[in-house]
This record gives sequence, structure tokens and C-alpha cells, in this order.
Amino acid sequence: DGGITQSPKYLFRKEGQNVTLSCEQNLNHDAMYWYRQDPGQGLRLIYYSQIVNDFQKGDIAEGYSVSREKKESFPLTVTSAQKNPTAFYLCASSTPGRGADTQYFGPGTRLTVL
Amino acid sequence: AQSVTQPDIHITVSEGASLELRCNYSYGATPYLFWYVQSPGQGLQLLLKYFSGDTLVQGIKGFEAEFKRSQSSFNLRKPSVHWSDAAEYFCAVGARYNQGGKLIFGQGTELSVKP
Repeated sequence: DGGITQSPKYLFRKEGQNVTLSCEQNLNHDAMYWYRQDPGQGLRLIYYSQIVNDFQKGDIAEGYSVSREKKESFPLTVTSAQKNPTAFYLCASSTPGRGADTQYFGPGTRLTVL
Repeated sequence: AQSVTQPDIHITVSEGASLELRCNYSYGATPYLFWYVQSPGQGLQLLLKYFSGDTLVQGIKGFEAEFKRSQSSFNLRKPSVHWSDAAEYFCAVGARYNQGGKLIFGQGTELSVKP
């Protein structure tokens, strides 16, 4: 079945550590996105990538980094520079044409900083 | 600035009652419009979308939404709510041209269903 997988589902990190969240899609989508979700704040865009080897900052990129070496994969690294990383992280993909199109979401990773 | 507003943070309805969730947007031009649903601890699932044509859009699970250009609104409706509809609902907008397919999401409306 086609879809988006995120791993792990739950992740615990000590302060000062970097941690990488995995996102893989087999939908053959060109674009991939990372969102952060906090209670009462909806989804906020961290980074997005329209093609392999290219990505752009979203609204809250500080303290995060990404790579897009393969079409199927878009890992997100939460660095120690992110001051408040505890949140629910969602990955999505789509094939935008001239304009936006439906984004398909993974099941999410809940990150907790201890 | 581009934005999406969902005025109701939390709504409670009785099972079998009708439902309307409000969504207003501020955008430079008529955007593409989406409604998503999220169960606790899960990802988002698309309910319906509006790109063009008929302003009344039918979606999955018996939901519909109506685009009203004059009011910059895209309200979600369901004639009879089921207990399984309890979830969080997000309205989103996207550009018709360029901008990398980005979507702007509202803050969400949490729906509770009373038996």
C-alpha cells in the first residue's frame, strides 16, 4: 500500500542532544513537508522540499535541519539549538502542479525532551 | 498577511444533531481550500477540497463544505453527527500558483459528541 511512514512513533531526548526523525513516502510525490503541532496552535511549517537536493525554510525553521538526498526520504533533525522541541511532528507529501494540491500525512512522531 | 481563522476552538454537539464548523480565510486571491480531520495522536486525513466549479463540495464520511467568496468562508457541515466524528478538524488554504504547494492551516476545532 502507498503511504507515508514516520519513525519512531515516540522519541525521548535529553537536553543538548540532536535527534533525527524519519519520514519515508512511496507515493512518488515530488514535494515533502515537515510540520510541528502544539496544542491550540494548529500546524506550523518547519521545512519543505519541492525536489531532490533542494529545500526551503518554513515559518519556524530555527533549530531544525533537513536533507533531501532521495525522492522518497525527508529526514528532520531537531538540534540542541531548538529551545522548546517537545511537540508532535508531522510529515506530509504532495505533488503540487501549478498550485497547491492535497497533502498526505504520516502518522506523526511525538518528541519529548527530558 | 495570509491567514486562516477557525473561530471555534471547541464545539460539543449531541449525536444525531447537525454540525457546522466555521472557517474564514484572508488571502490575496481565491485560494484552494481544504478540510482535514485528525484523531488523537494520529496524522491528518483529507475530508474534502475545493479547487473550482460547484461551490458546494462533497467529501468523505458524509461531510460537505460550501465556498462563499463574498464572505471568504469555507464552512464544513454534516447533517447528522455520529460519535465516531469526535476529532479535531483543520481548515487549510493553498495558493493557486507557485509557493511550493504550501498550505496554511487554521488552529483547529475540537469536536466532542454527546451520546
